[in-house]
Formats: sequence, structure tokens, C-alpha cells
Amino acid sequence: GDSVTQMEGPVTLSEEAFLTINCTYTATGYPSLFWYVQYPGEGLQLLLKATKADDKGSNKGFEATYRKETTSFHLEKGSVQVSDSAVYFCALSEAGGFKTIFGAGTRLFVKA
Amino acid sequence: EAQVTQNPRYLITVTGKKLTVTCSQNMNHEYMSWYRQDPGLGLRQIYYSMNVEVTDKGDVPEGYKVSRKEKRNFPLILESPSPNQTSLYFCASSVRQGEVYEQYFGPGTRLTVT
Repeated sequence: GDSVTQMEGPVTLSEEAFLTINCTYTATGYPSLFWYVQYPGEGLQLLLKATKADDKGSNKGFEATYRKETTSFHLEKGSVQVSDSAVYFCALSEAGGFKTIFGAGTRLFVKA
Repeated sequence: EAQVTQNPRYLITVTGKKLTVTCSQNMNHEYMSWYRQDPGLGLRQIYYSMNVEVTDKGDVPEGYKVSRKEKRNFPLILESPSPNQTSLYFCASSVRQGEVYEQYFGPGTRLTVT
């Protein structure tokens, strides 16, 4: 079945460092890909999405590119802030489908 | 303000004592889901609903029940809770945006069953 694999955390960075959180997926069709973010004590929020190969999703300085050849959707940010400390979830859904498969989540700590 | 609300936010209970976690959304979304979040496992779908009176099992439905009598409400019922249902629970509602369904999550309910 479909699955999502994320790099294990926690990831600890200093403010203004470059962030990469790796995400790879397994799917039978052409899924849509998502990154959700969970701030402490809150529910998940959609951060960005991409629906087809080579699409780049972006929001709040974060970016991820849908790479079909490597079945990846890595999350990047050029300069992290303390306020980016959160848990990040990679997820997929089949094209046009409602069901969403989530990765295990990666916790990010950013130090001032 | 568009939102998904859950109650209670925290609950400690004992094995076998029936409980209900409520979920309500004010966005008129047709789709709603319940997830549980456990360390190292991410979010796993318990049940979902495509509209009033239409519900179906997700990946981990055992020990849970749901109902959808009104579009805005989707309560989660644990008839006889057990310690392995100790978890963080999220309700979500979904709306189709172009080719994808985007999900809006509630703040979570942390349940402890002793």
C-alpha cells in the first residue's frame, strides 16, 4: 500500500541555519503531496502542497519540489527562525482522493 | 472564524468507562475524519464521514464508534476504553480545493485510559 517515510528527528538547528527534512513516498498512482506543520499544543496546519511532478509548493519561506524520479518531496527553508520550532509531517493522497497517508513526523528545534 | 473544535481537550478515565469526544466544524465541509497520533507512527485514520449518515472505517477502527447526524458534528465514541487507546486524538474536516482535499484540524484531545 501507499506509504510515506520521513527522516527521524529531532532536528536541532541554530537560528538562520538551512533546513532540509527528507521525505520519500511509495504510491501506485500519481499522488498529491503535502507538508503539514504542528505547533506545540495545536492541531496540524497545511503548510504547502504539490499535485504533479516538478511542481514546487511554497509558503512562509518553506519550499518542496515533487520529484517523481526519486519519489521524494523534501522540505527546505533557507533561514529558520525560533518560531519554526514544530513537528513537520509529510503526507500523500491519491489523485482526487480524500484519504491521506501521513509520515511519522519530524520534530524541529531551532535555538536562538 | 473558520475552525474545528474538540471537547474535551484533556481526559483521564478508567478502563471500561464509556466516553465521547465531540467535534464540530463551522465551515460546512462534507468530509470529516478522526485520527489518532502516537509517537513514531504519525497520524492514523480511525473513521471518516463523507456526509450526513455516511461513515466508514479508516485504518484503525477497532474499539471506536462514530456518528454523523448533522453536517457540523462528528463525535467519537469509545464504548469500553482500554489502556491501548491512550493517545492524542484529532478531528479534521476537509474541503476539495482543485485537485486535492485540504484538511483543517482541531486542537486535539489528549486521552489517558488507566
